[in-house]
Amino acid sequence: EPEVTQTPSHQVTQMGQEVILRCVPISNHLYFYWYRQILGQKVEFLVSFYNNEISEKSEIFDDQFSVERPDGSNFTLKIRSTKLEDSAMYFCASSLQGVKSGELFFGEGSRLTVL
Amino acid sequence: QQQVKQSPQSLIVQKGGISIINCAYENTAFDYFPWYQQFPGKGPALLIAIRPDVSEKKEGRFTISFNKSAKQFSLHIMDSQPGDSATYFCAASRDTGRRALTFGSGTRLQVQP
Repeated sequence: EPEVTQTPSHQVTQMGQEVILRCVPISNHLYFYWYRQILGQKVEFLVSFYNNEISEKSEIFDDQFSVERPDGSNFTLKIRSTKLEDSAMYFCASSLQGVKSGELFFGEGSRLTVL
Repeated sequence: QQQVKQSPQSLIVQKGGISIINCAYENTAFDYFPWYQQFPGKGPALLIAIRPDVSEKKEGRFTISFNKSAKQFSLHIMDSQPGDSATYFCAASRDTGRRALTFGSGTRLQVQP
């Protein structure tokens, strides 16, 4: 069964360092998302991406964050200068037709720990 | 207005019992209401979803009840099993689901054998 894969599964970094989280969405999907989940809390939307551009972003997704689909298969989230409060589980998700179809598939997440 | 409020935070149910999780929303523009199930170490997975043109949707042991006037919806798990033990998130989206999902705070369900 096709699945969304994310790397790394866990990354520990120092405050102020740049981090890149990588995702390989399901191959024929067209819509891509990043969500995050601070330990024990709700899943929060960061950004959605369609047709090589951001289609929606939340207030969390400030100038420190960026997304890219560099090669047609990977979808990356970059945090330029990490803060302690960026520690969370980051989930990538993809969809063939967008949320309206209900087919939003999540990866297993990348746990980011900022020290 | 973008919030989705979920309760209870945690729930313990005996095997064979009914699990009920409730959600309420404020934004009347929301028009798509999915429930996601998350097991430890995994990403959320779509369980069942409803649109506001129906008041109930059933898939196997899982039922969503939707009350548009009260702006509330709930998940009922009939004949709960230990394998249902997971965290459940309600969510909502607008513009026929084209917009990003807004998740509730989650309910940790434990079904005791």
